[in-house]
Amino acid sequence: AQSVSQHNHHVILSEAASLELGCNYSYGGTVNLFWYVQYPGQHLQLLLKYFSGDPLVKGIKGFEAEFIKSKFSFNLRKPSVQWSDTAEYFCAVNPYSGNTPLVFGKGTRLSVIA
Amino acid sequence: KAGVTQTPRYLIKTRGQQVTLSCSPISGHRSVSWYQQTPGQGLQFLFEYFSETQRNKGNFPGRFSGRQFSNSRSEMNVSTLELGDSALYLCASSSPPSGTVGKFSEQFFGPGTRLTVL
Repeated sequence: AQSVSQHNHHVILSEAASLELGCNYSYGGTVNLFWYVQYPGQHLQLLLKYFSGDPLVKGIKGFEAEFIKSKFSFNLRKPSVQWSDTAEYFCAVNPYSGNTPLVFGKGTRLSVIA
Repeated sequence: KAGVTQTPRYLIKTRGQQVTLSCSPISGHRSVSWYQQTPGQGLQFLFEYFSETQRNKGNFPGRFSGRQFSNSRSEMNVSTLELGDSALYLCASSSPPSGTVGKFSEQFFGPGTRLTVL
């Protein structure tokens, strides 16, 4: 079965620090890749997505992610975090194999301190 | 465009009872997926419906069931509730079904129903 691993359970950063959250998946074929964010008390919303083409994907709020096919990775980055980035971040993978659902990682909680 | 709506937002039930949760997708979306979110486990897939047919089912016991109506609204039901069923239940809608070859449409999530089982 496909699986998604997010290496960090909880990350604590100071404002202006750089962020990188790891995501690895187990599926060997073609995949769609997503990062979702859940701010405290809010809906899960899409940060960015990768279907094909340029492996460096830019999303909302200054986030970007790089798809490295050889490493089965899709790490999320932001050069300078803000207090408002405090949230839970979920990586998700959907294989191109037709009848398969979206598989989420267990999430990484990011706390940004002033 | 109105977003995904879920009702009720909060529920408190006791063990052994059953519960029905409702989800209205974004207008025009025909795929509805349900997830269970618990601390430490992330989002676990329950099932997906597309055009009133269940396309996928996650690894949950038969106490968890769902259905989709002709207007794409979906309900999920949990019978014989257990303490471990306490969770946030999320519904997501998309236009095509998941895994559509060539392009996967973003899933839009609702606010969830917080179920507490006492």
